[in-house]
Amino acid sequence: AQSVTQLGSHVSVSEGALVLLRCNYSSSVPPYLFWYVQYPNQGLQLLLKYTTGATLVKGINGFEAEFKKSETSFHLTKPSAHMSDAAEYCCAVSRSCYNKLLFGAGTRLAVHP
Amino acid sequence: NAGVTQTPKFQVLKTGQSMTLQCAQDMNHEYMSWYRQDPGMGLRLIHYSVGAGITDQGEVPNGYNVSRSTTEDFPLRLLSAAPSQTSVYFCASSYSISPGRLQETQYFGPGTRLLVL
Repeated sequence: AQSVTQLGSHVSVSEGALVLLRCNYSSSVPPYLFWYVQYPNQGLQLLLKYTTGATLVKGINGFEAEFKKSETSFHLTKPSAHMSDAAEYCCAVSRSCYNKLLFGAGTRLAVHP
Repeated sequence: NAGVTQTPKFQVLKTGQSMTLQCAQDMNHEYMSWYRQDPGMGLRLIHYSVGAGITDQGEVPNGYNVSRSTTEDFPLRLLSAAPSQTSVYFCASSYSISPGRLQETQYFGPGTRLLVL
């Protein structure tokens, strides 16, 4: 069975510091991989996705993620955190042709001055 | 386009009551789905639909019913609410880029926060 693991339910960084949110998956076939962001009291917004091709994917708001098949990882990074980046970040894999998403537990990012 | 809309935004129910969470999209998307979000567990798929008249169960379907009579609407019904169904519910949709293949990105609604007492 597929699974998605996000290491760290809460991550706190200083403004201007590197953001690293970890996501590992288990899958018998190469999956589609996603990062969604959820701001307080809002729905989920796609941050970036990997389907095929280049393994380094750039998304909105300066975020990027790299698909590493050998490590079964899809970690999300941003070189310099901004206060507006404080949100819940959800990693997901798509596991079938019907586009069913399997989500990790989520990581809440806090950014402090 | 309004995108994916959900009503109500917030609802309080008593145990045993029934209600319907509404979801509508105006993007002519074939695929629609319902997720629930609980602390520490991430989003879990309840039911999904690949087109009008076609629905199937997800990971956590017990206690929920769905139907898809039109492309636009995908209501989620709780026949007899239980405290375990206290959660935030999200509806999502996506479209086909070719026959039998869905566009990878799903578009989410703003959510319905449900409290069952």
